Order: sequence, then structure tokens, then C-alpha cells
Amino acid sequence: QIQLVQSGPELKKPGESVKISCKASGYTFTDYAMHWVKQAPGKGLKWMGWINTYTGKPTYADDFKGRFVFSLEASASTANLQISNLKNEDTATYFCARDSGYGVMDAWGQGASVTVSS
Amino acid sequence: DVVLTQTPPTLSATIGQSVSISCRSSQSLLDSDGDTYLNWLLQRPGQSPQLLIYSVSNLESGVPNRFSGSGSETDFTLKISGVEAEDLGVYYCMQATHAPLTFGGGTKLELK
Repeated sequence: QIQLVQSGPELKKPGESVKISCKASGYTFTDYAMHWVKQAPGKGLKWMGWINTYTGKPTYADDFKGRFVFSLEASASTANLQISNLKNEDTATYFCARDSGYGVMDAWGQGASVTVSS
Repeated sequence: DVVLTQTPPTLSATIGQSVSISCRSSQSLLDSDGDTYLNWLLQRPGQSPQLLIYSVSNLESGVPNRFSGSGSETDFTLKISGVEAEDLGVYYCMQATHAPLTFGGGTKLELK
């Protein structure tokens, strides 16, 4: 069955960096794009952008340009999200979600919690 | 950016009751290809979101048929015909017609 398994919780200090992974199984990784979605504590969902898993080309929403990098380890069927120069407002759960076409997010990871605190 | 406004923000229901959630868009979600990319998701407490309905009215595989979606252009509705306990959580509409993709603010379904 289709599974997206994300890395574990992270506790970081402001200014540090973090890398979150999303390992896919149960389908051909490069056939489906991957989205990243942020959920701050007690808040709703915010789209961060997506990565073409065939070409590796990322697309970022405006609020996530600069400190955020989407990358792939295609041989390992893994998508990664790296956040640099962490700020308190980056404290959130980050989800990866598979795109089955036209922005339909039909499978989601369990979420990766990032806490930024001095 | 497209703004999706969901109402009500909170919905109290009894088991077996039928309920509806509205999602209104600041722009038409009808794409130039003739399709409308409005989807509905449910996030149960402590879980990741799951897809319920895509392209306005198409039921995702494995989702019970008590869920249905309707609407067009800027006005969309999710209906649950007979709420069950497992339906509790926060419902989100989201659009993928216009970049950036955007989500509604959510509707929390609670037991009365």
C-alpha cells in the first residue's frame, strides 16, 4: 500500500537548520509530484510548494522562498525539506503529500514536528 | 491569492444527523480546461489530513458514500448524510486551480 513515512520530531534553536525526510513506498516515486504543507500549532494548513519528482524542479510559495529547500534522493524514494536560519515562527508540523494529479493530495505523511526554541 | 472562506467554523452534530459545510472562493475555480479543482479533506484529531473528495464531487476510493460534494465556480458544499463518530475532526476545502494552492480555514465538526 502507498505510504509516506516522515522523520521524527526535532527540537532546534533559532538560527539552526533542520532537514525533514519523507520516504515513499508502494508506488513509483518519480511518477507523482510531492507537496509540502505547514501546520502551525492549533492552526490550519498552509501550502509551501511542491517538487517535480521526475525532474527535481521545486516550486515555492512566496512565503517559503529563501530559507526553504525541497530536494530529492530519488534512488531512495525520498523527498526532503530543509529549513535554514530557523525562527520561532517555523515551529510547526510539516507534512509531505503525494499529488495524484491536478493538485489532488491523495496520500499524506504522518507529519514531522519541528520546535524552535532558545 | 485565492481566499477560501468556510462556514460555519464549528459545527455541532448528533450521530445520524445530516450536515453541510460551505466553501466560498474569492475567484472562480473553473479552470480553462473545463475542470474545477476544488477538493475536500478531513483531519481527525492527532492525525494527518486525508482526501475525501476531489474535483468538487468525486469520492476518493475507500471514502464512505455518506460524503458528497457539490457546487461550481465560487460556491461549494460538502454534505455528510448521517454523521458517524469517526467523522469528527476538522474539514478543509482546498483549491488547485490557481497558484498558489490555498486551503480554507477549516470547519470543526463536534459531537453535540
